[in-house]
Amino acid sequence: DTGVSQNPRHKITKRGQNVTFRCDPISEHNRLYWYRQTLGQGPEFLTYFQNEAQLEKSRLLSDRFSAERPKGSFSTLEIQRTEQGDSAMYLCASSAQGETEAFFGQGTRLTVV
Amino acid sequence: GENVEQHPSTLSVQEGDSAVIKCTYSDSASNYFPWYKQELGKRPQLIIDIRSNVGEKKDQRIAVTLNKTAKHFSLHITETQPEDSAVYFCAAPISGGYNKLIFGAGTRLAVHP
Repeated sequence: DTGVSQNPRHKITKRGQNVTFRCDPISEHNRLYWYRQTLGQGPEFLTYFQNEAQLEKSRLLSDRFSAERPKGSFSTLEIQRTEQGDSAMYLCASSAQGETEAFFGQGTRLTVV
Repeated sequence: GENVEQHPSTLSVQEGDSAVIKCTYSDSASNYFPWYKQELGKRPQLIIDIRSNVGEKKDQRIAVTLNKTAKHFSLHITETQPEDSAVYFCAAPISGGYNKLIFGAGTRLAVHP
């Protein structure tokens, strides 16, 4: 399945642990987005990269969250000191500059116990 | 802040009937309105979108209408089929970009044979 790839698909972690997720966008896409989706809700925007530059961060992105895209290709989202409220599906999307359509990955489902 | 409201939250129709889902948005500067379909356990997929310079767009059995004055847009699915059953999300851009999106809460559509 070509397209946006996210790993891992599922992650169960104990409260207080750190977790890191990876997103590989479609190769020619320079724009990358992270969203969070909780059960029964629509995705919520977290942050946005254009190439390696993180251009915008939502107020939802507390200081426990950090995202990187060091070479303008794959991106990582790290959550430090996880809390139960962090349990959600974390979705990555990418788009090409000048194009409106964003393509989503399958997501990483995080469960904090 | 920006807001997108979506109605209804659930919709049940008989196969062959039409389904209509409505959304309102708050940011009058919004200029792009995508609709995503999300099947259980799968990624959101773009099914149709509309830009603010047109009032209606159609693609086979689905259509979207936009009323910029009233700040609302609607998804219309005709001749519904069981495979249309999914959660549908409308979205509008957070100021400054097409794909930094704010999503509605979703409509769970069930099409009964």
